[in-house]
Amino acid sequence: EEQLVESGGGLVQPGGSLRLSCAASGFTFSIFWMTWVRQAPGKGLEWVANIKKDGSEKNYVDSVKGRFTISRDNAENSLYLQMNSLRAEDTAVYYCARGSYAMAPWGQGTLVTVSS
Amino acid sequence: QSALTQPPSASGSPGQSVTISCSGTSSDIGGYNYVSWYQQHPGKAPKLMIYEVSKRPSGVPDRFSGSKSGNTASLTVSGLQAEDEADYYCNSFAGSNNYVFGTGTKVTVL
Repeated sequence: EEQLVESGGGLVQPGGSLRLSCAASGFTFSIFWMTWVRQAPGKGLEWVANIKKDGSEKNYVDSVKGRFTISRDNAENSLYLQMNSLRAEDTAVYYCARGSYAMAPWGQGTLVTVSS
Repeated sequence: QSALTQPPSASGSPGQSVTISCSGTSSDIGGYNYVSWYQQHPGKAPKLMIYEVSKRPSGVPDRFSGSKSGNTASLTVSGLQAEDEADYYCNSFAGSNNYVFGTGTKVTVL
């Protein structure tokens, strides 16, 4: 079964850092673009970042540029999102998804709460 | 990177059809054929329903169909069923390997 499992969410103070992980299984991870999407409580989906199969290209939404870094380890079938200088508006459920223009499957999400 | 515009809500009775619009610009929807649609039930992860404007992934019922005209994409759900009640989001390529989601539409089955 193709599966994605996120981890690493939690409560962090404004200005703090957090690293999210996404473990992939059931498919050949290294041949797919991967994407992070977030959803603030009660709000819609927001595309956050994506990364090319070999990690050579990374793209970000303007609101996280310079603060978030997407990366991957194809040997470990894992995707990461390093989040620095966190703000209250970064509070959301963060999902990882396989693909870029057709995202499937998705993980179950991990909640990040930025609050003092 | 402004969100694509969707109506907040749509509804229909069982067996009827409902169409959801997704309005963008020539820099996103109008410029590329990379429009996808996602279904999200409360508390669940989104699920891909349509990709590349009108293609259905394996396992998605043919009651779901997609189209595009100019800067506006549409998702039609025919033969509405109770389990179709959910939030629906469009997504489009917006150039330079960036993507943008729609504002979301809550579909209610009356």
